[in-house]
Amino acid sequence: RKEVEQDPGPFNVPEGATVAFNCTYSNSASQSFFWYRQDCRKEPKLLMSVYSSGNEDGRFTAQLNRASQYISLLIRDSKLSDSATYLCVVNTNAGKSTFGDGTTLTVKP
Amino acid sequence: EAGVAQSPRYKIIEKRQSVAFWCNPISGHATLYWYQQILGQGPKLLIQFQNNGVVDDSQLPKDRFSAERLKGVDSTLKIQPAKLEDSAVYLCASSLTGVNTEAFFGQGTRLTVV
Repeated sequence: RKEVEQDPGPFNVPEGATVAFNCTYSNSASQSFFWYRQDCRKEPKLLMSVYSSGNEDGRFTAQLNRASQYISLLIRDSKLSDSATYLCVVNTNAGKSTFGDGTTLTVKP
Repeated sequence: EAGVAQSPRYKIIEKRQSVAFWCNPISGHATLYWYQQILGQGPKLLIQFQNNGVVDDSQLPKDRFSAERLKGVDSTLKIQPAKLEDSAVYLCASSLTGVNTEAFFGQGTRLTVV
């Protein structure tokens, strides 16, 4: 079993749709959590950190469920420019980062 | 502020040849990472440095891969000899110290082994 698992998709949604991605992790000692975005043939870039209380940044909402060991990312009112691969990242308290394999989103007109 | 610099951007080599990649992290970032990203997969950590010391190299294939960060700043990753399955993008990232810190990535080196 992989340490961090994501539904690979692809998710194909129309503009304006709401889409949610989930990510599960196996290491209960994991301390911090992130969502990164990776455009085709580009490097990953931080989208947002995920806090225990949940956090929102514009159209993006991230949530953490420590008991069930999963994190989620919700995108509201999808834009064409949201098309990308979304990577879930989990850090242990030793600072080791583990990436999921990503979920691919395509937003269509 | 300058980002993470990597070179070369692209490299094509024959199997059994050797290759080296270079990375210069963001100034002041003590932590440096090398990742391997195979097409369709997420980045896989190869090695993590804290200054010039190795924090984690558990997934580095040490029979053919080596990395160093002698002065605690820039770093090189070497593959010798290369195999076909080493074809991937090699990403360097750096961050400040701490588990909650953002990692900044370079543009990567796309390696093709033929």
